[in-house]
Amino acid sequence: SAVISQKPSRDICQRGTSLTIQCQVDSQVTMMFWYRQQPGQSLTLIATANQGSEATYESGFVIDKFPISRPNLTFSTLTVSNMSPEDSSIYLCSVEVAGGGGELFFGEGSRLTVL
Amino acid sequence: GESVGLHLPTLSVQEGDNSIINCAYSNSASDYFIWYKQESGKGPQFIIDIRSNMDKRQGQRVTVLLNKTVKHLSLQIAATQPGDSAVYFCAEAWDSSYKLIFGSGTRLLVRP
Repeated sequence: SAVISQKPSRDICQRGTSLTIQCQVDSQVTMMFWYRQQPGQSLTLIATANQGSEATYESGFVIDKFPISRPNLTFSTLTVSNMSPEDSSIYLCSVEVAGGGGELFFGEGSRLTVL
Repeated sequence: GESVGLHLPTLSVQEGDNSIINCAYSNSASDYFIWYKQESGKGPQFIIDIRSNMDKRQGQRVTVLLNKTVKHLSLQIAATQPGDSAVYFCAEAWDSSYKLIFGSGTRLLVRP
């Protein structure tokens, strides 16, 4: 397994602002992903964070709204830009550990409330 | 903290009984399946996985059954405990991709 630390764990944000969420893993990982979980809903994949290159976004998500960085194997950031109340969600980092059995592990999530 | 799954289907079981949580998956090409447990205010916790070349896999107190014919996955929890109360999600993937597609989730409530 891996210890996945997300910051901030929660925040209350004003409409129109942007917030960057950090994901730090204590071991080298092969794959890193960002998911969104809207209130009372299941998880939806936003994008795959690629080391040293642009993230791969899923349908319905765009780089201008959710810019992602992954400068090395153990760290990634997700920015939620120009926030609106509809962006109020839990944002989760997920990783596949190098040399693991293929399981995906999740961080505790960052709970954003946009007023 | 915030609650997860405010509007999810709920399974209520007596402590000590066995629980069965069901999931219908969407893609007949899916070849990898995972069950996650999510407690309120926490991220999903890996429980057990199964690949499409198997129809059953057992862990500690948990068993996952896969029926590819009807695209159905189930999670069986033996001797359910209060600590098992949570929302349970199934997830699927295919073509060696680790991009998971999650089901809608089931809330498990364990009555003391």
